[in-house]
Amino acid sequence: GQSLEQPSEVTAVEGAIVQINCTYQTSGFYGLSWYQQHDGGAPTFLSYNGLDGLEETGRFSSFLSRSDSYGYLLLQELQMKDSASYFCAVRRYSSASKIIFGSGTRLSIRP
Amino acid sequence: SQTIHQWPATLVQPVGSPLSLECTVEGTSNPNLYWYRQAAGRGLQLLFYSVGIGQISSEVPQNLSASRPQDRQFILSSKKLLLSDSGFYLCAWSELDLRGASGTSTDTQYFGPGTRLTVL
Repeated sequence: GQSLEQPSEVTAVEGAIVQINCTYQTSGFYGLSWYQQHDGGAPTFLSYNGLDGLEETGRFSSFLSRSDSYGYLLLQELQMKDSASYFCAVRRYSSASKIIFGSGTRLSIRP
Repeated sequence: SQTIHQWPATLVQPVGSPLSLECTVEGTSNPNLYWYRQAAGRGLQLLFYSVGIGQISSEVPQNLSASRPQDRQFILSSKKLLLSDSGFYLCAWSELDLRGASGTSTDTQYFGPGTRLTVL
């Protein structure tokens, strides 16, 4: 099968740290990508993990463990502008032209 | 640099009317192109993708069709819109750059600004 599972909603406090998980039931993919989408806007690329381990880009980090079929996006020093939906995505070897997106996680930041 | 354009930004159409949404990409050649639809508060549903001129793959059987008349132009069409066609339509192109075990690979989709379609 092919599916990426994410929590539908996460709430966190401004200044805190939040982790958004992505578990998958697909095998043989190039890597795990993350996208951010603000209300009314288009998704924008955040990060990509081609290899297992942690990738850091400023306040955002992303992690992938192929052996555990699991990845996550970590957001630190949360700001109100981080309130958005976050999607994980993979591109499978067997269908390299397609990208499969997770169902998305709605992150709400409280003051 | 690469840019992707979509138009119109918003559209209100009656049921049964035709549809034509256009997407163009600048600054890259032979891109993989995609059409997605997103219902309010939901995820991205892949509708069509294209790896080259005239090459269209359909993901969801429905009353929509896509065409790629030029390398950097992707068009989404319908002859008769349904109420269920309402949504946010996103065009995207993708860049897959694999550099093996060095860890410097990247896989990125670049989305256009989208078209918000309301069918009444």
